Amino acid sequence: DVKVTQSSRYLVKRTGEKVFLECVQDMDHENMFWYRQDPGLGLRLIYFSYDVKMKEKGDIPEGYSVSREKKERFSLILESASTNQTSMYLCASTLRGELFFGEGSRLTVL
Amino acid sequence: AQSVTQLGSHVSVSEGALVLLRCNYSSSVPPYLFWYVQYPNQGLQLLLKYTTGATLVKGINGFEAEFKKSETSFHLTKPSAHMSDAAEYFCAVSDREWYQGAQKLVFGQGTRLTINP
Repeated sequence: DVKVTQSSRYLVKRTGEKVFLECVQDMDHENMFWYRQDPGLGLRLIYFSYDVKMKEKGDIPEGYSVSREKKERFSLILESASTNQTSMYLCASTLRGELFFGEGSRLTVL
Repeated sequence: AQSVTQLGSHVSVSEGALVLLRCNYSSSVPPYLFWYVQYPNQGLQLLLKYTTGATLVKGINGFEAEFKKSETSFHLTKPSAHMSDAAEYFCAVSDREWYQGAQKLVFGQGTRLTINP
């Protein structure tokens, strides 16, 4: 089975803190994605990566950056967290067009 | 640009009744369409997808969807609802197949399905 693991299920951070969300997949997938899920808005793409050290902005990249130093790991970084970044963050990787999602990281910024 | 609209943020049906979740898309190119399901406290998983060919697509757990180009729709149905179908369902569209380059999906707002005993 494909496994996409997000390091933290729940995080509480303060405004201005730097936040790292880690995602690891175990199936040697090329493409990895970070989505943000909010009620009534569905999933919105923040960033994606189609190879090591390669990244591309999604629809809502402002306030976020990413890092992919190794193929299996894709990190989402909030340089200075703000309250409007309180959300559920979902990582995914793809195999032949099927997205495999992690269980999500629920971030609360106070 | 592509977009997806799911009609109805909440749908409630009785156990054994027909499930119908509506999805309309907008795309300037032939679309590739998907339905994903999210059970409580879990990530999303693929239910079914339409690429090319047969317009009626069968998925897991008895779900199916029909691609209707003239109506720009891809509604999800299941003849008889089961309690285990309670979840949130997302329709998504892409402008390319996975082998045509990085395939980015645009998701709809989601529909929460409740099953009444």
